[in-house]
Amino acid sequence: DQQVKQNSPSLSVQEGRISILNCDYTNSMFDYFLWYKKYPAEGPTFLISISSIKDKNEDGRFTVFLNKSAKHLSLHIVPSQPGDSAVYFCAARHIRDDKIIFGKGTRLHILP
Amino acid sequence: NAGVTQTPKFQVLKTGQSMTLQCAQDMNHNSMYWYRQDPGMGLRLIYYSASEGTTDKGEVPNGYNVSRLNKREFSLRLESAAPSQTSVYFCASSEGGSLSYEQYFGPGTRLTVT
Repeated sequence: DQQVKQNSPSLSVQEGRISILNCDYTNSMFDYFLWYKKYPAEGPTFLISISSIKDKNEDGRFTVFLNKSAKHLSLHIVPSQPGDSAVYFCAARHIRDDKIIFGKGTRLHILP
Repeated sequence: NAGVTQTPKFQVLKTGQSMTLQCAQDMNHNSMYWYRQDPGMGLRLIYYSASEGTTDKGEVPNGYNVSRLNKREFSLRLESAAPSQTSVYFCASSEGGSLSYEQYFGPGTRLTVT
């Protein structure tokens, strides 16, 4: 049973436009959410995070929105750049046991 | 400051062989994790250690054992490798607790079991 879901396996966006990556979760015991970026043959790198007590966190071109009632979060990248082409993973931390669970990832292609 | 290091980078095993994947971090982090990544499956948590001396099962622990040797090192052992364990294995660390959940990942170990 997948607790963190990224339902879009891939997404293509024109350079300069906004990229929106979505993530849904089922467990209300998650208290912290993170986004990671992964290039081929490398380990994931941390991008941005948000606590469950907030609904928005912004860092430069990256903004994460959290809708607790819908158990949904999204990552906005604006403007999208060629170097943003990568796989993006959504992850969530369980409040009780410190586990961090990942979604399956969304491959983002930035088109020239 | 090397961050998280993993050895080996590549390994080929025959079914039934055993091996240990090594992981070390130099950031004085409390928590360490082992994940496996398979095509279309994302990153699945195998085992984690919230602090030195403690280990807990993740989503897919069967066929694996771990040791938190000290605060720096967290090893993953396959006692009797199976083809289903062919995967890319990532180690990660974080400050943990209420400090920070941001994880730092190693470069991965690509394991093939024939």
